[in-house]
Amino acid sequence: AQKVTQAQTEISVVEKEDVTLDCVYETRDTTYYLFWYKQPPSGELVFLIRRNSFDEQNEISGRYSWNFQKSTSSFNFTITASQVVDSAVYFCALFEGSNYKLTFGKGTLLTVNP
Amino acid sequence: GAVVSQHPSWVICKSGTSVKIECRSLDFQATTMFWYRQFPKQSLMLMATSNEGSKATYEQGVEKDKFLINHASLTLSTLTVTSAHPEDSSFYICSAAGNVGDRDPYEQYFGPGTRLTVT
Repeated sequence: AQKVTQAQTEISVVEKEDVTLDCVYETRDTTYYLFWYKQPPSGELVFLIRRNSFDEQNEISGRYSWNFQKSTSSFNFTITASQVVDSAVYFCALFEGSNYKLTFGKGTLLTVNP
Repeated sequence: GAVVSQHPSWVICKSGTSVKIECRSLDFQATTMFWYRQFPKQSLMLMATSNEGSKATYEQGVEKDKFLINHASLTLSTLTVTSAHPEDSSFYICSAAGNVGDRDPYEQYFGPGTRLTVT
């Protein structure tokens, strides 16, 4: 079983639409961290957010928001009023302290059309 | 945040030659560095973990004799792809983590990546 599942391989929206990227994770650790990264065509990973397993408070940063639910092992990412510049591949990742490794999901390619 | 650089940003080499990629932490001391490989339209896959001054730990399926990793100082790790072949063409990304000062020890800071093309 995959530790990090991003079921949506590709999403295409029109500018100004809201879009949610799903992430489901699996771990036996009680202490872990979840991340979202953006990878534009240039390839460089851009850090978006980090959440630890003890902090289920949702977070909003501008047009970005994250919904962390331990009960469903999900850490979903929503972009409000999407823009063309949001077009990129988005990766969800899980860090487990038991093995000190960061495991990435397969990524979701988001295309925002004008 | 912490800055991690990679050099070169891209490289083209002929099959059978060796290529060295450098990863540097510019403003903090990295006790651990990680090397990832990303094939086109795929995710990042961890290749190996290296701690300063000790041998790297390779993930299953990664040939340690082909991908030589050296982490000789707290600011520099190198990945050498020996006898490169076209199937080694990929995007190689390093990350660095430290346990110094106020840096979160688990936090990985990523380099910009190196695109390797083997002809």
